Amino acid sequence: EIVLTQSPTTMAASPGEKVTITCRASSSVSYMHWYQQKPGASPKPWIYDTSKLASGVPNRFSGSGSGTSYSLTISSMETEDTATYYCQQWSSNSPTFGAGTKLELK
Amino acid sequence: QVQLMESGPGLVQPSETLSLTCTVSGFSLTSYNVHWVRQPPGKGLEWMGVMWSGGSTDYNSALKSRLSISRDTSKNQVFLKMNSLQSEDTTTYYCARDLYYFDYWGQGVMVTVSS
Repeated sequence: EIVLTQSPTTMAASPGEKVTITCRASSSVSYMHWYQQKPGASPKPWIYDTSKLASGVPNRFSGSGSGTSYSLTISSMETEDTATYYCQQWSSNSPTFGAGTKLELK
Repeated sequence: QVQLMESGPGLVQPSETLSLTCTVSGFSLTSYNVHWVRQPPGKGLEWMGVMWSGGSTDYNSALKSRLSISRDTSKNQVFLKMNSLQSEDTTTYYCARDLYYFDYWGQGVMVTVSS
C-alpha cells in the first residue's frame, strides 16, 4: 500500500498570501488527486490528474508534481479557501488518502 | 443529475453487523464503479472497498475479513455489510463514484457503535 504524507498538518494563511500544501508518496505514483472538505460536508473533487481543476474551482488553485512529490498551491489565499485538503492516489486497485491539511485564515 | 445517497442505521450495537445502502441516480452501476469511504469524527478519509462496474469487488486489506460489498443493478443500489463492529467503527460512511478520481460523493451517513 502506498502511504501519502501531507505537510503541513495545519496551517494558517493571511488573505492574499501564497499557500503550498505538499503530498509525498512512499512510492512513485502517476497522478495525484486533491479534495476539499469543509466541516459537515462531503469531500469535493478539487484537482485531478495532478494539475486539472475540477469544475467550479477558482484558477488561483493549481497542482503540480511527479513521482513521489506533489503539491497544491493557492496563489492568493481567500477566506472561502479555509478547509481541509486531502491528496489521494490510486495504484493496484487500492486508493489511499493523505491525512489531510487543515488550512485556516490568519 | 448524478446523485448518491447513503442510508442505514445511525446506531449499531458492538459486535453486530452494519448494513448500509448507497442509492444512485443519474448513471448506471454497470458503467461506473462505486466505492465506500469512511471518516472517523475529526479524522481523515479511509478507503474501504469498491464495487466495480463489471460486478467484482476489491477491499481494503485491513477490513477485508469483515467487509462485503454487493449490488442490485435493477434498484441502482450498492450495499455494504461489515461485521464485528467495534467503537472504532464509529464514523461517517460515504459512497462515491469513480471516474478514476472520486467525482461525486454522497452526503454521508453517521454510524455510532454503542450499546
